[in-house]
Amino acid sequence: LAKTTQPISMDSYEGQEVNITCSHNNIATNDYITWYQQFPSQGPRFIIQGYKTKVTNEVASLFIPADRKSSTLSLPRVSLSDTAVYYCLVGAPALSGSARQLTFGSGTQLTVLP
Amino acid sequence: GAVVSQHPSRVICKSGTSVKIECRSLDFQATTMFWYRQFPKQSLMLMATSNEGSKATYEQGVEKDKFLINHASLTLSTLTVTSAHPEDSSFYICSASSPTGDTQYFGPGTRLTVL
Repeated sequence: LAKTTQPISMDSYEGQEVNITCSHNNIATNDYITWYQQFPSQGPRFIIQGYKTKVTNEVASLFIPADRKSSTLSLPRVSLSDTAVYYCLVGAPALSGSARQLTFGSGTQLTVLP
Repeated sequence: GAVVSQHPSRVICKSGTSVKIECRSLDFQATTMFWYRQFPKQSLMLMATSNEGSKATYEQGVEKDKFLINHASLTLSTLTVTSAHPEDSSFYICSASSPTGDTQYFGPGTRLTVL
């Protein structure tokens, strides 16, 4: 499983766009990149997943450069309720219907200030 | 869609007792479920992988006789912490793998406190 490196913490202000970058130099050809959000005393919540270029959903965008050695989670116009830990995970999709394990790194504590 | 529930949300027990935690996938079938443990200010650590109808696969350092896992149906997995001790106090989180296997959906977690 490819190891990921993220900043330990980030601060932002309400209404700003926040970009959290994750480094995964050893990403394999079949690996996807997945981001989760976790609030205190809650289970992680799936945010977005991608393989290359750009993926956008109603919550965030994920930018992946051509070499795929890093990825950036972009949260538009954050609010106080976006204060959470954000995890970047890298791994291959399932083969033959089996599930893949996830290895969580330390994550990034995002604090949104008023 | 893709909702996973856990019960109970929090439990307090005396040292030496056993505690069972249930994990259910509410709107999809999950052949595989995972159990994690998270200590304060730390990341999630995978404890075991649970496959429906077969024995669970435990991560190195996790005692299989202490953390009993049963995955009897495609929507239910249980984790039983046997003879619990204060050091077992932690936040236990389960996840269920999507039908395609490439995404995991997590339960809300169970806070276990052993006195």
